[in-house]
Amino acid sequence: AQSVTQPDIHITVSEGASLELRCNYSYGATPYLFWYVQSPGQGLQLLLKYFSGDTLVQGIKGFEAEFKRSQSSFNLRKPSVHWSDAAEYFCAVGASSGGSNYKLTFGKGTLLTVNP
Amino acid sequence: EAGVTQFPSHSVIEKGQTVTLRCDPISGHDNLYWYRRVMGKEIKFLLHFVKESKQDESGMPNNRFLAERTGGTYSTLKVQPAELEDSRVYFCASSQLDRGRNAFFGQGTRLTVV
Repeated sequence: AQSVTQPDIHITVSEGASLELRCNYSYGATPYLFWYVQSPGQGLQLLLKYFSGDTLVQGIKGFEAEFKRSQSSFNLRKPSVHWSDAAEYFCAVGASSGGSNYKLTFGKGTLLTVNP
Repeated sequence: EAGVTQFPSHSVIEKGQTVTLRCDPISGHDNLYWYRRVMGKEIKFLLHFVKESKQDESGMPNNRFLAERTGGTYSTLKVQPAELEDSRVYFCASSQLDRGRNAFFGQGTRLTVV
C-alpha cells in the first residue's frame, strides 16, 4: 500500500524568504504525485502534479516541485514566499485501483506561517 | 464553471443524531469521491462513485455511514447515528471519467459531534 510522509508539521518563514516543503512517498510503481493547498475557509486547491516526463514541474502561484525517484521524494519549493501563501499544504500520491478510480493517499499536511 | 460545492460548510449535532452532507460535483464529472480528515492527521479516502454506482467503498469506516448518488449527479453522505469520533472535515472531489487523475475538491464540511 502506498503512503506519504510530510516530516514537517509546521513551518514558519519570513515573507520574501525561500521555501521548501518536504514530501516522501512509498509506492511500488511509478507514482502520480500531487501537491494541494488549503487556505483558511477554502477547499483543497491543486498546486501542481507529476505524472511522467520532466521531473521538475511548475505549478500555480510560483510553486515548483521536483520528483526524485532515487529518494522517493517530491519536495515543493518557492523562491520567495508571499504573505498570502500562509496555508496548509498536502502532498498526495495517486494510484489507480481499476478503471478511472485514482484514489489519493495524503500526507498529514504542513502548516505554513509567513511572518511579515 | 462552478466548482465542487459542499453543503453545509459546518454542522454541529449531538451524539446519536443523524446528519446528511451533500456534494454537488462539477457538471459532467462522472467520478465522485468522498474523503475525510481529522485535524493533524491525513486526509483519508472513503469511497468512489462512477455515476450512480459505488466502485470502491474500501475506506468507509462502518455501517453508520451511507453514501448515495441517485441519478449520478449530486451525492449525499449520511451519518446515523453520529458518534463523537465522527467529528472531522469531510471533503468531496470529482473528475471526468477519462481524466480520473485530475480531481477537483470542494471546500469541505466541518462536522462537529457534541
